[in-house]
Amino acid sequence: EPEVTQTPSHQVTQMGQEVILRCVPISNHLYFYWYRQILGQKVEFLVSFYNNEISEKSEIFDDQFSVERPDGSNFTLKIRSTKLEDSAMYFCASSVEGSHGYTFGSGTRLTVV
Amino acid sequence: QQQVKQSPQSLIVQKGGISIINCAYENTAFDYFPWYQQFPGKGPALLIAIRPDVSEKKEGRFTISFNKSAKQFSLHIMDSQPGDSATYFCAASMTGGGADGLTFGKGTHLIIQP
Repeated sequence: EPEVTQTPSHQVTQMGQEVILRCVPISNHLYFYWYRQILGQKVEFLVSFYNNEISEKSEIFDDQFSVERPDGSNFTLKIRSTKLEDSAMYFCASSVEGSHGYTFGSGTRLTVV
Repeated sequence: QQQVKQSPQSLIVQKGGISIINCAYENTAFDYFPWYQQFPGKGPALLIAIRPDVSEKKEGRFTISFNKSAKQFSLHIMDSQPGDSATYFCAASMTGGGADGLTFGKGTHLIIQP
């Protein structure tokens, strides 16, 4: 069964550093997403991406965040200057037709120290 | 208005029993209501979903009941098994054909006791 692949599985970074989280969506999917889940809390929408541009973003997705699909297969989330409160599990997801039938990756656990 | 409220926060059910998790929403523009199952260390996995044009959808042991007038929907797991022990999230979105984000509930930690 096709999978959404995320790397790394765990990343530790110092406050103020830039991090890039990587995702390889399912090959025939057209919509791409990033979500985050702070430990023990609900999954929160960050951003959706379609046709090489951001379609929708939440209040969480401020100027410190950016997304890119640099080569037609990878989908990345960059946090420019990490804060302690950015520590969370970050999930990438993709779908064929919008919000229906998402497939989530296994996530990247980001720890900011 | 974007919130989806989920209850209970945690639930313990005996093997073979029925697990019931409830969600309520406020935004009447929501028109897609999926349930996700999440095991520790894994991403959420789509379990079952419903649109407001039907009141019930069943897939195997999993059933969604939907009450449009009350703006509530629930997940029923029949003949609950230890392997069903996981965190369950309800969610909602406005489809509109676009790349809409999902609004998740806070999750229910379900434990099925053997």
